[in-house]
Amino acid sequence: EVQLVESGGGLVQPGGSLRLSCAASGFTFSSYSMNWVRQAPGKGLEWVSHISSSSSTISYAEPVKGRFTISRDNAKNSLYLQMNSLRDEDTAVYYCARGLGGYDYWGQGTLVTVSS
Amino acid sequence: EIVLTQSPGTLSLSPGERATLSCRASQSVSSSYLAWYQQKPGQAPRLLIYGASSRATGIPDRFSGSGSGTDFTLTISRLEPEDFAVYYCQQSGSSPRTFGQGTKVEIK
Repeated sequence: EVQLVESGGGLVQPGGSLRLSCAASGFTFSSYSMNWVRQAPGKGLEWVSHISSSSSTISYAEPVKGRFTISRDNAKNSLYLQMNSLRDEDTAVYYCARGLGGYDYWGQGTLVTVSS
Repeated sequence: EIVLTQSPGTLSLSPGERATLSCRASQSVSSSYLAWYQQKPGQAPRLLIYGASSRATGIPDRFSGSGSGTDFTLTISRLEPEDFAVYYCQQSGSSPRTFGQGTKVEIK
């Protein structure tokens, strides 16, 4: 059974940092592109970042470029999102999701709250 | 950036009725990279359609996708009680990958 489990969310002050993790199981992690998608409270979905299976291709949404870094460790079946210089508007549930043309598996999400 | 505009914002229908949801792109989207998702409150999104018209695994055949270029449509042929939710389109053919703002299908 394919599973994606996010962790690392929590309450952080503006300007602070957090590192999200996504533990993958039930499939060959190294064969799939992965993504981070977020959803602010009561709002729609917002794509955040993408990383290809070998980490050769990485892209970011404009609002997080220069502040967030996506990475993966295929030996540990894990995806990461390092978030620096956090802002109030980064408050959201962060999901990891598998795929390229359609994200077929999603984690349950981890809540990041940026507030003083 | 490709902007996806979904319409209507809210669709009020009764069970058994047909739902037609639109997703219009500001630039041409490769059909291979147009997907539709369903999201219910408190849940992660669920992939319904990929490649504009291919149903994801386990998706009932009352869901169908069509379109090309800048105009795409998700059709639910006969609404079941569990279909009342928010639906999003997404393009992942060019960066930044973008989602539409969503269409809420509510019970009339």
